[in-house]
Amino acid sequence: GAVVSQHPSRVICKSGTSVKIECRSLDFQATTMFWYRQFPKQSLMLMATSNEGSKATYEQGVEKDKFLINHASLTLSTLTVTSAHPEDSSFYICSAEGTDNYGYTFGSGTRLTVV
Amino acid sequence: GENVEQHPSTLSVQEGDSAVIKCTYSDSASNYFPWYKQELGKGPQLIIDIRSNVGEKKDQRIAVTLNKTAKHFSLHITETQPEDSAVYFCAASLSGGYQKVTFGIGTKLQVIP
Repeated sequence: GAVVSQHPSRVICKSGTSVKIECRSLDFQATTMFWYRQFPKQSLMLMATSNEGSKATYEQGVEKDKFLINHASLTLSTLTVTSAHPEDSSFYICSAEGTDNYGYTFGSGTRLTVV
Repeated sequence: GENVEQHPSTLSVQEGDSAVIKCTYSDSASNYFPWYKQELGKGPQLIIDIRSNVGEKKDQRIAVTLNKTAKHFSLHITETQPEDSAVYFCAASLSGGYQKVTFGIGTKLQVIP
């Protein structure tokens, strides 16, 4: 089946630094990548949608200059949290949809802790 | 936009009993309804999905039903086992590229041995 590899699984960074999270589709071409944020005991909140080779579409209230998304190839999308603050601490999850699969495959998530 | 309501938020069942989770959606154009299982600290895993041209789908102990007229769909797990304990999310979307998925709030299922 379709597999999305997400790295790192956990990261701790200092306030003010930037963190990059990668998602790779291993056995299919991901034409669309979705980035979610999940707070404890809550549902997934869509942050942005990215299509390969074009700019990401951000949901209302999500700062595009803070959460930089790049989807330069059909197998790789990255989310960079810039100038991270403690309130950015959360669980970030990507999901991908390709042209040849019928569902949305999720990565394993990244636990970000900003200290 | 789409709105998905899910209930119950928590559910405890004895091992071997059945569990049912229900969801409703608002956008009649939605035609793809996946269910995800999320274990602690992990990403959601697709466990079953259904499209609007089908009323019911079954995969071993898991089944999903869809009532398109009433705009609700349900997940049924039979013969529950402790390893079924997790958070389950229903979702709704339009199938095809670039369509975002709207998730329910999640149901924490606990199967008591």
